[in-house]
Amino acid sequence: QKEVEQNSGPLSVPEGAIASLNCTYSDRVSQSFFWYRQYSGKSPELIMSIYSNGDKEDGRFTAQLNKASQYVSLLIRDSQPSDSATYLCAVNFLPGAGSYQLTFGKGTKLSVIP
Amino acid sequence: ETGVTQTPRHLVMGMTNKKSLKCEQHLGHNAMYWYKQSAKKPLELMFVYSLEERVENNSVPSRFSPECPNSSHLFLHLHTLQPEDSALYLCASSQDGGNQPQHFGDGTRLSIL
Repeated sequence: QKEVEQNSGPLSVPEGAIASLNCTYSDRVSQSFFWYRQYSGKSPELIMSIYSNGDKEDGRFTAQLNKASQYVSLLIRDSQPSDSATYLCAVNFLPGAGSYQLTFGKGTKLSVIP
Repeated sequence: ETGVTQTPRHLVMGMTNKKSLKCEQHLGHNAMYWYKQSAKKPLELMFVYSLEERVENNSVPSRFSPECPNSSHLFLHLHTLQPEDSALYLCASSQDGGNQPQHFGDGTRLSIL
């Protein structure tokens, strides 16, 4: 069974620190990986997409992908209180038949302490 | 402001009622999705429509009935729901092709009495 696993947290970091969020997935047949941010009572918002091994940077966010280790991470530099949210890792798996299916982890709750 | 609009934002209904959730996307996408989000559980995919045809139904009970009249609109018809169906129902859209991210609406918070 294909799964996406995340530490549920909460992960607490002081303001200005680097927050590191991790995600592992159980199946190798996958092509695209996403991080979503979800504020309490709101819908998930796409913040990063990554498709190949290595790092991808966008502002204060860096996504890292290692397909051999089935591992994807999100680093948030200079964390701000407004970054406090639940971060969802999502992986597009290719099932045995049919189209790709986006599978979400349970999310990691991040708290940035002023 | 999101390019995916869901109505209503909140819905309270009895177990014998019939109601519908509506989703509209303004992003020019050709695939639409219904998800259920319950407390402490991952997002659960319910239905997938690609080019207005249902391509995925993840063993969802028949009391949930989707409808996709065109690529911009998606409905979820509800009847004789159970208390465990109380959850946040999210609609999403994407450009079909496997690698594309999905964009979510704000969701409908559903409470079953």
